[in-house]
Amino acid sequence: DTEVTQTPKHLVMGMTNKKSLKCEQHMGHRAMYWYKQKAKKPPELMFVYSYEKLSINESVPSRFSPECPNSSLLNLHLHALQPEDSALYLCASSRQNRGFGYTFGSGTRLTVV
Amino acid sequence: AQKITQTQPGMFVQEKEAVTLDCTYDTSDPSYGLFWYKQPSSGEMIFLIYQGSYDQQNATEGRYSLNFQKARKSANLVISASQLGDSAMYFCARPEGNDMRFGAGTRLTVKP
Repeated sequence: DTEVTQTPKHLVMGMTNKKSLKCEQHMGHRAMYWYKQKAKKPPELMFVYSYEKLSINESVPSRFSPECPNSSLLNLHLHALQPEDSALYLCASSRQNRGFGYTFGSGTRLTVV
Repeated sequence: AQKITQTQPGMFVQEKEAVTLDCTYDTSDPSYGLFWYKQPSSGEMIFLIYQGSYDQQNATEGRYSLNFQKARKSANLVISASQLGDSAMYFCARPEGNDMRFGAGTRLTVKP
């Protein structure tokens, strides 16, 4: 099993809604990541989890709240988002030695209305 | 922070011909090599090929190969025998700390 599964694939939410993005991998990777990608731009790192512990937070607004319940799952809880938060949210995982690269999910296209 | 540079915002290639996508980096840290990813319109970031910083030979993977010039800090992607399904965004990337730093990307369009 060499893939990262993200759900949902598409999400439309209002600015007062609470929603969650989910990510799952069964490759035994102990590092998992959330990236945000705006149209025609490269992905930008939001959060890194290493051995289920948050090891970096790239000054992401608190309306984004990550959670890593176990080594296979990664969630991103969304609350009170703004229209400018509309983007593709990519989850990735990797071995601790990043020389092996990252495996990405297919992403969740989020639209905030 | 290291900088990954892709100078071609968009490229066109005729089907069945070869195309080269450029990528340079500015760090001297040999800890990691360089990755290339393909991102179709569906959004998934698909790993294509990897060049280790200590590799003596250019990496190859099917129709994908890298023209790695260590002294110039460049690792250009060569796609041979282009297919319509190769139309996508292509990103080169390199690990830095906990991050994977990406270039700005090149949009490749394959013409029939």
